[in-house]
Amino acid sequence: DGGITQSPKYLFRKEGQNVTLSCEQNLNHDAMYWYRQDPGQGLRLIYYSQIVNDFQKGDIAEGYSVSREKKESFPLTVTSAQKNPTAFYLCASSEQTGRGGYTFGSGTRLTVV
Amino acid sequence: GNSVTQMEGPVTLSEEAFLTINCTYTATGYPSLFWYVQYPGEGLQLLLKATKADDKGSNKGFEATYRKETTSFHLEKGSVQVSDSAVYFCALSEGYGGSQGNLIFGKGTKLSVKP
Repeated sequence: DGGITQSPKYLFRKEGQNVTLSCEQNLNHDAMYWYRQDPGQGLRLIYYSQIVNDFQKGDIAEGYSVSREKKESFPLTVTSAQKNPTAFYLCASSEQTGRGGYTFGSGTRLTVV
Repeated sequence: GNSVTQMEGPVTLSEEAFLTINCTYTATGYPSLFWYVQYPGEGLQLLLKATKADDKGSNKGFEATYRKETTSFHLEKGSVQVSDSAVYFCALSEGYGGSQGNLIFGKGTKLSVKP
């Protein structure tokens, strides 16, 4: 079955370390997205990519970086410059226009100690 | 710009009660509209969608009708169950590609259903 996989489910890191969250999809979707969700909050867009080797900043890109070297993969790196990285991170994918909606992964909960 | 406004929660209901979660939108064109559901600790799942005016999306007893005249897409269910306890997000997409193709989400409404 096609889907979108995020790994790991839980991630712990020490303050000051960079960490990379994985997101892989086998839906043949062109577009991929990263969102951050804080407790009791909505979704905030970090980065998105509509085609391989291209990506755009979302609303809260500072302290994050991404790459899109393959259509299937869109990893997110949380850098030490991110002031408050502890959060739930969601990856999603869609056909290029987004009109059919997004398919979401199950999320990665990052805790920085 | 485009936006989605949904009723603030939390909403607490007894089992078998009627549910309405209001959602209104602002868009320049003819967006597609969506409801997503998020269970605790999980990602979002598409619950239902509608792509044009007067369309009714339905799934698992939930319904929502795309009302262009009132720019609304209210979520309803006739008889909620404890298992419906979750956070519900309304969203829209203009679907033109570029950043306009991105989904715009409401802030979410938390529903708690008591036995």
